[in-house]
Amino acid sequence: DIQMTQSPSSLSASIGDRVTITCRASQNIIDNLNWYQQKPGKAPDLLIFGTSTLQSGVPSRFSGSGSGTDFTLTITNLQLEDFATYYCQQSFNTWTFGQGTKVEIK
Amino acid sequence: EVQLVESGGGLVKPGGSLRLSCTGSGFIFGNALMSWVRQAPGKGLEWVGRIKSKTEGGTADYAAPVEGRFTISRDDSQNTLYLQMDSLKTDDTAVYYCVRYFAYWGQGTLVTVSS
Repeated sequence: DIQMTQSPSSLSASIGDRVTITCRASQNIIDNLNWYQQKPGKAPDLLIFGTSTLQSGVPSRFSGSGSGTDFTLTITNLQLEDFATYYCQQSFNTWTFGQGTKVEIK
Repeated sequence: EVQLVESGGGLVKPGGSLRLSCTGSGFIFGNALMSWVRQAPGKGLEWVGRIKSKTEGGTADYAAPVEGRFTISRDDSQNTLYLQMDSLKTDDTAVYYCVRYFAYWGQGTLVTVSS
């Protein structure tokens, strides 16, 4: 099974900050990496698929990069509505999610 | 508009069974690879399993923690996905989501396994 290691598990940031979340796969998953945002009591929302393709309607301040085993989600100019929990997910071989990163207000 | 609506959650005793349903609309259900994902209270997301479309073989795959206890099936004539859960454990307590592709998630249904 492919394991996904996401870091950090939580972070504090201010509005307008640039935030980076990383995700490492236990083996090469090429570009089969997706990112989700989840708010309390809600289902996750897809932000990015295929490492770097923004889902329709997702603001351009979200971006994704990486390949192979190391991937990054970057949020530039953090907005109030971005405070949430973020998950990476590999879809190379079935699915595995990272442990999540909670982005909190500093 | 794509919609997925889960039902069937509730309280069940350890060792018991429960069947969840997920009805889809707004897309050709029979062509869709469908998945189940769960989230224990206060925890992260965990893939449960998936079932391919009939044209891709209709086979199901499962995560190790549920293999042999859970069964995923589909009734394309009713646009419905099922998750039959047997030999339930307290660790199976979670909100269960059905998912189409990556982008479309149901609202989730809560399963509580407790004596």
